[in-house]
Amino acid sequence: DQQVKQNSPSLSVQEGRISILNCDYTNSMFDYFLWYKKYPAEGPTFLISISSIKDKNEDGRFTVFLNKSAKHLSLHIVPSQPGDSAVYFCAASARGSGTYKYIFGTGTRLKVLA
Amino acid sequence: DAGVTQSPTHLIKTRGQQVTLRCSPISGHKSVSWYQQVLGQGPQFIFQYYEKEERGRGNFPDRFSARQFPNYSSELNVNALLLGDSALYLCASSLRRGTGNTEAFFGQGTRLTVV
Repeated sequence: DQQVKQNSPSLSVQEGRISILNCDYTNSMFDYFLWYKKYPAEGPTFLISISSIKDKNEDGRFTVFLNKSAKHLSLHIVPSQPGDSAVYFCAASARGSGTYKYIFGTGTRLKVLA
Repeated sequence: DAGVTQSPTHLIKTRGQQVTLRCSPISGHKSVSWYQQVLGQGPQFIFQYYEKEERGRGNFPDRFSARQFPNYSSELNVNALLLGDSALYLCASSLRRGTGNTEAFFGQGTRLTVV
């Protein structure tokens, strides 16, 4: 049972444009969400997070939006740069669940075209 | 400051053998978690250790075990290796025990190939 889903395996965007990566979740107990970026042969790098008490969090070119009623979050990258080309994972956790783990989606491969 | 370091970076083992993977967390971080990432999937939680005690275990067989040392470094052991254990094994450290409002920082991983 995939509790965190990234339905787009890949996305191509022109340099300078906006990249929008989407993530859906099924567990209403999730209350903390994160985005990680992963280059080949490296571990995931933390990008940005959001708590369920917020609906938006911004850090430079990266903004995460959370829609709790739709159980949906998205990562916006503006403007997109060729160095943003990587696999992006969303992850979720449930603080009150008694388990201390992140549930990851399957990832979206972003390619930013110069 | 050094990030999360894992060793070795690559490893080839034969079916039935045993393997030990090592992880040093970021200085000051007391929580270490292990994840397995197979090709085309996201990382899957294996264990979390905090203050040298196991705090969480994922849906992995008993062939997988881990421990955390007084200096907060950790080892992941896998016995009786199967071909399906071939994966990238990731170690993550974080400041606090829980995952709420706390990001985890990952090492570069150990690529295990079982032949």
